[in-house]
Order: sequence, then C-alpha cells, then structure tokens
Amino acid sequence: AQSVSQHNHHVILSEAASLELGCNYSYGGTVNLFWYVQYPGQHLQLLLKYFSGDPLVKGIKGFEAEFIKSKFSFNLRKPSVQWSDTAEYFCAVTGLSGGSYIPTFGRGTSLIVHP
Amino acid sequence: EPEVTQTPSHQVTQMGQEVILRCVPISNHLYFYWYRQILGQKVEFLVSFYNNEISEKSEIFDDQFSVERPDGSNFTLKIRSTKLEDSAMYFCASSEKGLTGELFFGEGSRLTVL
Repeated sequence: AQSVSQHNHHVILSEAASLELGCNYSYGGTVNLFWYVQYPGQHLQLLLKYFSGDPLVKGIKGFEAEFIKSKFSFNLRKPSVQWSDTAEYFCAVTGLSGGSYIPTFGRGTSLIVHP
Repeated sequence: EPEVTQTPSHQVTQMGQEVILRCVPISNHLYFYWYRQILGQKVEFLVSFYNNEISEKSEIFDDQFSVERPDGSNFTLKIRSTKLEDSAMYFCASSEKGLTGELFFGEGSRLTVL
C-alpha cells in the first residue's frame, strides 16, 4: 500500500515570499499524485494533479508541483504567495499497478500568510 | 458548480450514542467515499462505495461503522456506540470515475464525542 509524508506541518510566510511544501510518497509502482487545498471554512478542493507526461504540472492560482520519480517526491511551489493562500494543503497519492486506487493523504500542511 | 453537501456541520454526542452523518454527492457521480481526520493527524480513508455496495474499506472501518445509500441521493455514515476516539472531522467525497483518484469533497462534519 502507498503512504504519504508531508514534512512541513506548519508554515508561516509573509506575502510575496516563495513557497515550497514537501511531499514524499512510498510506493514502488506507477502513481497518480494530487495536491488538495482547504481554505478556512471550505471543502477540500483539487489544486493540481499529475497522471503522466510532463513532470512539472501547473494548477490553479499560480501553484505548480514537480514530480521527481527518483526522489518519490511531489513538492508544491508558488513563487509569490498571497494572504488568500492561507489554507491547509494536502498531498495525496493513488497507486496504480496493484496499489490502491483510493487516494492516500498526508497529514496536511497549515500555511499562514501574513499580509 | 455542483458540490458535495454534508450535514450536520458539527455534532456533539455522548459516548455510546449512535451518530448518522449525511452526505449528498454530486448527482452524476458513481463513487462515494468517507474519510476522517482526527485533529492534527492524517486524513484517513474509511470506506468507498460503488454500485450500492462497499468496494473498499480500511482497518478503521470495523463493525462499529456502516454506510448506506438509502434513497439514491443521500450517502450516510453510521457510527454505532461512539467512543471518545471517534471525535474527528468526517469528510464525504464523490467522484465520477473510480480509477483516477480525483475526488470532490464536502465541507466535513465535525463530530465531538464527550
């Protein structure tokens, strides 16, 4: 079965700072990778996803993530954060080729952006 | 934009009581899920449901838990004889296709067991 680790549990930034949230997964086969975001008082929503192809994927609101297969990583980045990016961010993975199609989530990273 | 709705948003119950959490998935979605998140911990998979039956469940989903789709629109999670450790945020999700992992979530139901 697959598993996900998010190493940054709480991140505090000032507006315009750059962001990188770490995500590592453990699964030896083919994976689909996701970042979900939960804004205060709202539901979890998909930020971006990787299925195949270009390992650098772009999502909504200027976010991007890079899949590095050799490092089992799918880190989320944004060059310049805004106060409205304050939210909880979750990395998730599904393992294909014998893994579970059910997304496995990390524990989330709480991002606070100060104006 | 269609969305998944969950009720109640917050429920407080006494230990040993039964709780039913309700979800209305997106109407054309075929796959339904329950996850939970205990405060400060991972979002944990509980159960998935397809074609009116459980398709996959985790070790957490023991005999204390059950799911039902009673009327073609609602998808419920029943927790019998609640325990303190059941206190968590419970998320319902649905997806149109089952193999992509792309889920649409509700806002969650916070369960507090006293």
